[in-house]
Amino acid sequence: GNSVTQMEGPVTLSEEAFLTINCTYTATGYPSLFWYVQYPGEGLQLLLKATKADDKGSNKGFEATYRKETTSFHLEKGSVQVSDSAVYFCALSYSSASKIIFGSGTRLSIRP
Amino acid sequence: DAGVIQSPRHEVTEMGQEVTLRCKPISGHDYLFWYRQTMMRGLELLIYFNNNVPIDDSGMPEDRFSAKMPNASFSTLKIQPSEPRDSAVYFCASSFLGRSGNTIYFGEGSWLTVV
Repeated sequence: GNSVTQMEGPVTLSEEAFLTINCTYTATGYPSLFWYVQYPGEGLQLLLKATKADDKGSNKGFEATYRKETTSFHLEKGSVQVSDSAVYFCALSYSSASKIIFGSGTRLSIRP
Repeated sequence: DAGVIQSPRHEVTEMGQEVTLRCKPISGHDYLFWYRQTMMRGLELLIYFNNNVPIDDSGMPEDRFSAKMPNASFSTLKIQPSEPRDSAVYFCASSFLGRSGNTIYFGEGSWLTVV
């Protein structure tokens, strides 16, 4: 079946460090891929998305590239800030289906 | 748009009491989802609706849980009777299924504590 696997957290980095959160997926066909972010005490918010192979989604300095050959959608940011501390969820969905499948989430903590 | 609106934001109730959580989806969205989030189990899909009709309720934990969507702008999730293990954050979300997949918009959650 379809699934999303994320690297386990927590991930702790110093401010201005480079960030990578790995995400791989198992799916048939051509799903759309998403990263959602959940700040403390809030709901999940869409961070970025990519709808086809080789597309790059980007927002707020974060980027992720849809790699069909490696079935991956790794999240990256060149220089993290304390305000990036949150839980990050990778997800996929199909245009022909209504359910969105979430990974288990990765907690990120940034030290000043 | 105001986004997905949930109420109450916080509720503390005693075991055995009935709990009703409410949700107003984004106008024009035709899918509505109820999720539960706990530290132990992460984010779980409980049930979702399309055009007010329940499509998949396989995630509803047991008969104590029920959900309704009487119209396109309102849904409820009810727990009766409530138990301490129901303590969690309950999220409502809505979406419009488009060509680029299903982008879901979440409410801020209802934080439920059952004592």
